[in-house]
Amino acid sequence: GENVEQHPSTLSVQEGDSAVIKCTYSDSASNYFPWYKQELGKRPQLIIDIRSNVGEKKDQRIAVTLNKTAKHFSLHITETQPEDSAVYFCAASINSGNTPLVFGKGTRLSVIA
Amino acid sequence: DAGVIQSPRHEVTEMGQEVTLRCKPISGHNSLFWYRQTMMRGLELLIYFNNNVPIDDSGMPEDRFSAKMPNASFSTLKIQPSEPRDSAVYFCASRAGTGYEKLFFGSGTQLSVL
Repeated sequence: GENVEQHPSTLSVQEGDSAVIKCTYSDSASNYFPWYKQELGKRPQLIIDIRSNVGEKKDQRIAVTLNKTAKHFSLHITETQPEDSAVYFCAASINSGNTPLVFGKGTRLSVIA
Repeated sequence: DAGVIQSPRHEVTEMGQEVTLRCKPISGHNSLFWYRQTMMRGLELLIYFNNNVPIDDSGMPEDRFSAKMPNASFSTLKIQPSEPRDSAVYFCASRAGTGYEKLFFGSGTQLSVL
């Protein structure tokens, strides 16, 4: 089955700096890669996703990149703010039928003011 | 829509007791997933249903765990007997249509087994 590795497990950045979180996946058939943000004590919520027919996607201060050949994808947050502090999860799935998302173990991002 | 609704929010029980977690998916969603979250293992998929039918329960850790979905609007996850290592946050999530659709999580149940 699919296996998703995520790095780093913790990340501290100064407010205004950029943050990058990287994930690798094992199943070359995976074609959908969402990112979820979980604030302390809250539920995970989707912040951005990318499909395998696209190499990059951007939404304001966040962007995702995908390298299908290398089977890795990344989340980039620019101009970080204290409210970006949270745990971020990457995930992967195969869009056939209703296969489930397989999540990475998460990255705890701390933005220091 | 109120979103995915889970109950209880918190459950404290003693080792050996039966625990039942409940979930109401978003109306119209045809897939339901149970995840367990721990610091060590992150978000682990326990079981998922499509159109109320269990598809894959290979993530259920032991026979002590069971899940049902008797209709499109209700699912339960039962642990019997519970053990301290079952302590975790259990999330229910639902999704409409195919895999590209957004996955919506419930608020989770924080389970503590003493």
